[in-house]
Amino acid sequence: DTAVSQTPKYLVTQMGNDKSIKCEQNLGHDTMYWYKQDSKKFLKIMFSYNNKELIINETVPNRFSPKSPDKAHLNLHINSLELGDSAVYFCASSQSGNSNQPQHFGDGTRLSIL
Amino acid sequence: GDSVTQMEGPVTLSEEAFLTINCTYTATGYPSLFWYVQYPGEGLQLLLKATKADDKGSNKGFEATYRKETTSFHLEKGSVQVSDSAVYFCALSFNNRKLIWGLGTSLAVNP
Repeated sequence: DTAVSQTPKYLVTQMGNDKSIKCEQNLGHDTMYWYKQDSKKFLKIMFSYNNKELIINETVPNRFSPKSPDKAHLNLHINSLELGDSAVYFCASSQSGNSNQPQHFGDGTRLSIL
Repeated sequence: GDSVTQMEGPVTLSEEAFLTINCTYTATGYPSLFWYVQYPGEGLQLLLKATKADDKGSNKGFEATYRKETTSFHLEKGSVQVSDSAVYFCALSFNNRKLIWGLGTSLAVNP
């Protein structure tokens, strides 16, 4: 019963390609997030959606485009992949309006650009 | 702006040693405070939290107390185990829509 699941777990591809990462949560949360974690473990928020509405859009290249078809899903599409995109991408979810509730994370998608 | 500062790692300890990982924050108002842990190859998971001043969060032998006067939320454990080897993140939030993260502290516990 995985709460936040991301696919694929590993993604190895060449520079210039376009790829997508999918995320689904079965916790009934209304808010979902995408994070990027670099090789030094630094964690950076990229996007957040609340009930399919974009609420956080940090300084991220336009090549990254999130899509939320419903509040249980948040996908990330990346165009024209670059070497610097190599990282681990984490999806997370939470219930808004209650600061007592934590964010729940997926296991990450390890993206390697050749 | 709001920020979280935690001690730089890596921290290396022997099994059964005492652990402290310092975390201080800057925020306007009174946020909720969290410690998350990331085990090798996994995503982050909540370790403990505190939502108001003087609250103590605790889990798996770890503790942290919300200190408003020193704007701190230091993580402590009396006797670490090899299985505690992980990266620990301190974070704050006002409405749980956006967490402000520290840079993470890597802990390695040797047998």
